[in-house]
Amino acid sequence: EAGVAQSPRYKIIEKRQSVAFWCNPISGHATLYWYQQILGQGPKLLIQFQNNGVVDDSQLPKDRFSAERLKGVDSTLKIQPAKLEDSAVYLCASSQWGATYEQYFGPGTRLTVT
Amino acid sequence: RKEVEQDPGPFNVPEGATVAFNCTYSNSASQSFFWYRQDCRKEPKLLMSVYSSGNEDGRFTAQLNRASQYISLLIRDSKLSDSATYLCVVNIGQNFVFGPGTRLSVLP
Repeated sequence: EAGVAQSPRYKIIEKRQSVAFWCNPISGHATLYWYQQILGQGPKLLIQFQNNGVVDDSQLPKDRFSAERLKGVDSTLKIQPAKLEDSAVYLCASSQWGATYEQYFGPGTRLTVT
Repeated sequence: RKEVEQDPGPFNVPEGATVAFNCTYSNSASQSFFWYRQDCRKEPKLLMSVYSSGNEDGRFTAQLNRASQYISLLIRDSKLSDSATYLCVVNIGQNFVFGPGTRLSVLP
């Protein structure tokens, strides 16, 4: 079974530039998560989708971050404009629907904002 | 109080040692609990789910204490390959909240 795919793996941009990340979840997984993990901290949930609907985006900085999952499969996360504090690893995860199901993580995108 | 807190670590232990990590959570309505392992510069991977009755998987034992709202992970006979960060994960509603992680280094 193919795992969660993410691209790009690494990205370096200057502050105030824009960047987009892509995630393809495991086939059949209805729930998709985007997390931000700053060095030395645990992952922090940015947004959770159930199919193509948003379940929770309370921690997404909506003035600069946006995410979509238009067809209920792939998802993109965008930052515009980027700030220095956005430097982090952006992890995508997917799971079957329900709070008891394991989340499977992609390899992440390591973003450096200079 | 943070939603999920863990022992700050790092833990440096010799091979063969027994080590225990604790995790506390603030929401008494939480129903699902997990331990994830994260190797350096890798993604988190599920180590084990934590059940009310406690559960064991080889050298790993997880316990849940609902009354005190904490979860523990015990690793027996530590191996060099156990060196990693251990993340406690608690569900709050339909969301999962990760703790900050506890780093373990097993030394030869």
